[in-house]
Amino acid sequence: NAGVMQNPRHLVRRRGQEARLRCSPMKGHSHVYWYRQLPEEGLKFMVYLQKENIIDESGMPKERFSAEFPKEGPSILRIQQVVRGDSAAYFCASSASSGLREQFFGPGTRLTVL
Amino acid sequence: DAKTTQPPSMDCAEGRAANLPCNHSTISGNEYVYWYRQIHSQGPQYIIHGLKNNETNEMASLIITEDRKSSTLILPHATLRDTAVYYCIVRVQGDYKLSFGAGTTVTVRA
Repeated sequence: NAGVMQNPRHLVRRRGQEARLRCSPMKGHSHVYWYRQLPEEGLKFMVYLQKENIIDESGMPKERFSAEFPKEGPSILRIQQVVRGDSAAYFCASSASSGLREQFFGPGTRLTVL
Repeated sequence: DAKTTQPPSMDCAEGRAANLPCNHSTISGNEYVYWYRQIHSQGPQYIIHGLKNNETNEMASLIITEDRKSSTLILPHATLRDTAVYYCIVRVQGDYKLSFGAGTTVTVRA
């Protein structure tokens, strides 16, 4: 069984460009979570999605960031007009249901903004 | 609004048991204790969770005090590959957000 897949693993963007991060949940999982880990800090919750629905985006910056989880295909975290402060590791997790079910994390995408 | 307190770091000898403490003195009756770890440059990995009874799985044991104000994660035979940051997380039933604090950096030495 494949685990949570994320790509790319490393992404370099110049200021002002767009970054697209992809996450494929574990097979059978319909709940996806995105977390961000800034350098030397702990992971912070960003957004929780189910298929075609955003359930909670309270941890997402109000501007430039968006997320989707379409009926077909991976979940996408999109960052428009990136700035240096967006440089971080972005982790996706998935679970079979919400609540207390454990979340399984992917290897992360390390975004570097030049 | 940290709900847990962990020592910032600890060393452990390879082959010995590693006992990782966590203080959660304000835990509520419906809050569970979860442990995750993050090996360098990897995504967090679920270890174990419990409510009030002690729990054991293939990775670790979780000992929760009777008053539930603290707990200890036990890695019975630490290996070099157990070197990681260990996070103790208090989580209420139905809460899908995992709140990661600073954790404990565990270094297993040969």
